[in-house]
Amino acid sequence: EVQLVESGGGLVQPGRSLRLSCAASGFTFGDYAMHWVRQAPGKGLEWVSGISWNSGSIAYADSVKGRFTISRDNAKNSLYLQMNSLRPEDTALYYCAKGSAIAVVKFDYWGQGTLVTVSS
Amino acid sequence: QSVLTQPPSVSAAPGQKVTISCSGSSSNIGNNYVSWYQQLPGTAPKLLIYDNNKRPSGIPDRFSGSKSGTSATLGITGLQTGDEADYYCGTWDSSLSAAVFGGGTKLTVL
Repeated sequence: EVQLVESGGGLVQPGRSLRLSCAASGFTFGDYAMHWVRQAPGKGLEWVSGISWNSGSIAYADSVKGRFTISRDNAKNSLYLQMNSLRPEDTALYYCAKGSAIAVVKFDYWGQGTLVTVSS
Repeated sequence: QSVLTQPPSVSAAPGQKVTISCSGSSSNIGNNYVSWYQQLPGTAPKLLIYDNNKRPSGIPDRFSGSKSGTSATLGITGLQTGDEADYYCGTWDSSLSAAVFGGGTKLTVL
């Protein structure tokens, strides 16, 4: 059974940093692209970032480019999102999602999400 | 303002059929595969359709997808109250080098 479990969310002040993690199991993690998708309270889905199976290709939404860094450790079956210079508009539920290739939007498994709240 | 345009809401009676549209451009829908997601209240999104019209295993054939030019459509037949959810289309945008979603459509089964 595929499982994706996010962690690392919490309340953080504007301008500070936070690192999210996603622990994957039930599939060969190193064979697939992985993505972060967020959802602000009461709003729609917003793609944040994606990383190819070997970290050779990485993409970011314009809204987070230069502030967020996605990475993965295939030996640990884990995906990460380093979030710096956080802003109130980054407040959202952050989902980890399993993809296929980085430029193909086919997110077939999602975690339950971890909530990030940016507020003073 | 989402790159992909969906109607905010649709509604239909139990047993009826509904369609949800997703409009984009040549840089996204026109040249990339479209997927559709169902988000039931308080839960994570679930993949319903990928590669424009394919269903993952376990998704009933009441759900269908199609694409024509720069628009895509999700169809749901035999509506059930359990289908009440938010539905999102998604695709890759080659100009943005980013994945994009529609703003979401809330389905009400009256």
